[in-house]
Amino acid sequence: DADVTQTPRNRITKTGKRIMLECSQTKGHDRMYWYRQDPGLGLRLIYYSFDVKDINKGEISDGYSVSRQAQAKFSLSLESAIPNQTALYFCATSDTQGGSSYNEQFFGPGTRLTVL
Amino acid sequence: AQSVTQLGSHVSVSEGALVLLRCNYSSSVPPYLFWYVQYPNQGLQLLLKYTSAATLVKGINGFEAEFKKSETSFHLTKPSAHMSDAAEYFCAVTTYSSASKIIFGSGTRLSIRP
Repeated sequence: DADVTQTPRNRITKTGKRIMLECSQTKGHDRMYWYRQDPGLGLRLIYYSFDVKDINKGEISDGYSVSRQAQAKFSLSLESAIPNQTALYFCATSDTQGGSSYNEQFFGPGTRLTVL
Repeated sequence: AQSVTQLGSHVSVSEGALVLLRCNYSSSVPPYLFWYVQYPNQGLQLLLKYTSAATLVKGINGFEAEFKKSETSFHLTKPSAHMSDAAEYFCAVTTYSSASKIIFGSGTRLSIRP
């Protein structure tokens, strides 16, 4: 089984609809992240969470919200989807074992979201 | 603030040829640097990382990268390309004070010609 899973894998929706993307992990990591990937722009950080009670905005948080329901679950919501939110969305996890702040991030398979 | 620049959005090499993917970084404090690979329809996976232990870093699948502070570079190389290396490659940077936030470059798509 995959360590970081994302649901759904693909979603087509209409402008103005509320959408939730879900991420679950079995790695036991404390830190979780949401990114969006656009062609030619790489990955940009939307939100990140260091534990259930610690949630922080990334560089492009406008139009998005998140919920850390448990250490293993981190959801991303688009309250009112718009076409320029069409992108590939990735969830990632990392831990701070050993006190390291530069541990690698482990990525889910991604969710392809299309907003019409 | 940190940043990463990947030179060349698309690189094409022949099978068996040298692979060179370029990455330059900007950081006011000592950086930690990564190369990630993304195969079609998959998430990113770590190829290698530099964390100040050694300037020449060896990764998976025969890739390596050399940290050059004087050139602020962290180029990725592989002596002999294989068809299975076709993918998108991302250079990324973080620092001790960045609290695990990683800044990604825009990516380089590597194509392999038979």
